[in-house]
Amino acid sequence: GQNIDQPTEMTATEGAIVQINCTYQTSGFNGLFWYQQHAGEAPTFLSYNVLDGLEEKGRFSSFLSRSKGYSYLLLKELQMKDSASYLCAVYGAGKSTFGDGTTLTVKP
Amino acid sequence: GAVVSQHPSRVICKSGTSVKIECRSLDFQATTMFWYRQFPKQSLMLMATSNEGSKATYEQGVEKDKFLINHASLTLSTLTVTSAHPEDSSFYICSASPADLTSGGLYNEQFFGPGTRLTVL
Repeated sequence: GQNIDQPTEMTATEGAIVQINCTYQTSGFNGLFWYQQHAGEAPTFLSYNVLDGLEEKGRFSSFLSRSKGYSYLLLKELQMKDSASYLCAVYGAGKSTFGDGTTLTVKP
Repeated sequence: GAVVSQHPSRVICKSGTSVKIECRSLDFQATTMFWYRQFPKQSLMLMATSNEGSKATYEQGVEKDKFLINHASLTLSTLTVTSAHPEDSSFYICSASPADLTSGGLYNEQFFGPGTRLTVL
């Protein structure tokens, strides 16, 4: 089975850095996705990690440790528009299983 | 980038009626399409996976006869909610991939449609 855990809510200040963690216990792991979802909208792709290590893409970075079943999404220079839900999803056995999402609120 | 559309974006129907939702890949051929359901403040729950020309694979707990999926072409998949009831009210989202993900391929990005909000009165 698949078990994916991430914090329910986080709050951070505009301009700051925030790290959203995700731990997983799954069978058939191929990789891990991070998505951003604004309320009432479909998810948008942020990153996909297959190998261990950090991948940086602009203000967003994602880290994976397969041996620890752990990933994090790092958001730098936070902007108000970054307020959204961030979904961790494990891809394996031909499908993605989503965590419950972390609602990030960015305050001025 | 790849674009996936869904129609309708919103639908309100009476209890007992059937509702069809279309998912189209506009600029690529989608070998695999996924249908998700999302209740308020909850994450996406995969309902079924379909490959063009074959029967959909439903997740445990999803009724095949209630949620009919047809993936008749490489650019179109439909989800029909039959005899809808208020508890079926939800946000239905499709995603499409150019790769055959059901064979366990290493990776290919899923492109999400904008979602369909279904309200059953």
